[in-house]
Amino acid sequence: QPVLTQPPSSSASPGESARLTCTLPSDINVGSYNIYWYQQKPGSPPRYLLYYSSHSAKGQGSGVPSRFSGSKDASANTGILLISGLQSEDEADYYCMIWPSNALGVFGGGTKLTVL
Amino acid sequence: QVQLVQSGAEVKKPGASVKVSCKASGYTFTNYGISWVRQAPGQGLEWMGWISAYSGSPNYAQKFQGRVTMTTDTSTRTSYMELRSLRSDDTAVYYCARVTMIVPKTLWFDPWGQGTLVTVSS
Repeated sequence: QPVLTQPPSSSASPGESARLTCTLPSDINVGSYNIYWYQQKPGSPPRYLLYYSSHSAKGQGSGVPSRFSGSKDASANTGILLISGLQSEDEADYYCMIWPSNALGVFGGGTKLTVL
Repeated sequence: QVQLVQSGAEVKKPGASVKVSCKASGYTFTNYGISWVRQAPGQGLEWMGWISAYSGSPNYAQKFQGRVTMTTDTSTRTSYMELRSLRSDDTAVYYCARVTMIVPKTLWFDPWGQGTLVTVSS
């Protein structure tokens, strides 16, 4: 199964933007997949944030602020979660996920986001 | 409101089996699926599989094939995950989550249960 690579950690200051990446292996094309993003705070279950396939194919989780958005960088074969107007409450672990098929789901290793 | 409530923590010996339940409320149970995801202490999320509550048809991650069984009981709106031949590295928090699939390969997990800690120790 494919391995999704996420940086173990990232940091940014309040009010800034945080750009979290999820890199797919070179043998699969990010353009062919929806990228899903989940947020997990310590001691809590994960929370669904959004999925992104293209500008016209995306979805936001219920109650998820619009400052959370998705995109892709095809040149880097990477899915991106952008958090704008960073707040202290955004400090959490963030996981990406893809579905190579309906019968196979794959999570990335997660990124710990620190709000400085 | 939509809610998934899981059974309580379990302590098992190596080689034993564990069965975790996940009771759904607040939505039409058979319109969605249930997925199971686990998280070892201090580690990331690991997808185990999912089951359609409509058809009862499961899909398991290859790693767990032959060792896991996922079922649903539509009369009680409850899904179950049984893991057999437990090892110490199966110690983890096990989460259930409602699966929404709008078209093939477009599936997401929302909401999640509170998690069930399964400890495997001799």
